[in-house]
Amino acid sequence: QKEVEQNSGPLSVPEGAIASLNCTYSDRGSQSFFWYRQYSGKSPELIMSIYSNGDKEDGRFTAQLNKASQYVSLLIRDSQPSDSATYLCAVNEGGSEKLVFGKGTKLTVNP
Amino acid sequence: DTEVTQTPKHLVMGMTNKKSLKCEQHMGHRAMYWYKQKAKKPPELMFVYSYEKLSINESVPSRFSPECPNSSLLNLHLHALQPEDSALYLCASSQGLVGYTFGSGTRLTVV
Repeated sequence: QKEVEQNSGPLSVPEGAIASLNCTYSDRGSQSFFWYRQYSGKSPELIMSIYSNGDKEDGRFTAQLNKASQYVSLLIRDSQPSDSATYLCAVNEGGSEKLVFGKGTKLTVNP
Repeated sequence: DTEVTQTPKHLVMGMTNKKSLKCEQHMGHRAMYWYKQKAKKPPELMFVYSYEKLSINESVPSRFSPECPNSSLLNLHLHALQPEDSALYLCASSQGLVGYTFGSGTRLTVV
């Protein structure tokens, strides 16, 4: 069973700070990497996808991928209370259509 | 249209009932998925349909029966469920390894 590990959290940051979320994966054949945000009682919402090594920025969000280290991260700059949610790292398994999720990190941004 | 629509949003059913969950997407995505999510856990893959054919069944009990009538529709037929099957059932679609989009889910309670 391919594994995706996330720092268990919970993670608490003050408003305006940078939140850093980390994820490692076991399947070297993985090609696609995603970060989902899930509010309590809601479905996961795709916020970032990354497919090649390096950084990808979208607004306040930056995803970082290092395939050699099998490591994916998400940085949230200028964190807002509305960013408080569970963040799920997801990795496709061996180039297949199957998406494997980490257990998620609960982020709380304090006003 | 960039949405995946799931109905119903909530469902309560007895252990002897038969019910169906429905999912629809009009993004032209060729892959559609059913996931199950228990509280405070990540989504778990149940089934994958690719080009309207079942490509992955994650050893799901036969009381769950998927159906893909056409490229836009995905059903999950439920029969003789157990209380432990109560969960959020999520439908998703994707085009290849990109664009995994989740519906809002069906909150199922088995009594």
